[in-house]
Amino acid sequence: DIQMTQSPSSVSASVGDRVTVTCRSSQGISSGLAWYQQQPGKAPKLLMSAASSLQSGVPSRFSGSGSGTDFTLTISGLQPDDFATYYCQQTKSLPFTFGPGTTVDIK
Amino acid sequence: EVQLVESGGGLVQPGGSLRLSCATSGFSVSDWYMDWVRQAPGKGLEWVGRSTNKADSYITEYAASVKGRFAISRDDSKNSLYLQMNSLKADDTAVYYCVRRGVFNSFDYWGQGTLVSVSS
Repeated sequence: DIQMTQSPSSVSASVGDRVTVTCRSSQGISSGLAWYQQQPGKAPKLLMSAASSLQSGVPSRFSGSGSGTDFTLTISGLQPDDFATYYCQQTKSLPFTFGPGTTVDIK
Repeated sequence: EVQLVESGGGLVQPGGSLRLSCATSGFSVSDWYMDWVRQAPGKGLEWVGRSTNKADSYITEYAASVKGRFAISRDDSKNSLYLQMNSLKADDTAVYYCVRRGVFNSFDYWGQGTLVSVSS
């Protein structure tokens, strides 16, 4: 199975800050990576697929990059709704494994 | 509007069985790959299994942790997906999400989840 890691595990930030979350896969997955946002008590929401393709309706302050084994999710200009946990997921091959999550909380 | 609504969760004893349902609307479930994902309390997300669409013969695959115990089925006439869970263990305690697999294999729509608690 492909293992996914994320860093940092948590980050404290303020409204307006730029936040970057890193995701790494244990083997190359080309651009087979998705990002999800999960608010407390809610289902995850798809933000990005194919590493950098923004889901319809997701604000443009979210961006994704990377290929192979190293990927990043960047939030440019953090908004109150963005305080949440973010998960990466490899979509290259079954089982579709998730990273452990990165929690963005208020500084 | 695409909607997925899970039901059937609850408290079950170790070794017991439970069947989760996922009622969908806004799309034809037979056209889409569908998956189940779970999340243990306070933990991350774990892929459970998937069913391909009608065109790809409804082939199912499962995570190693549930293989042989869980089974995914569909009723296209009801636009619904099911997860039959047998020989349940305490480690199966989680919120179970029904998800639709969209472009690039990403999970574009999620249900609200249903909680399964396995305890004596």
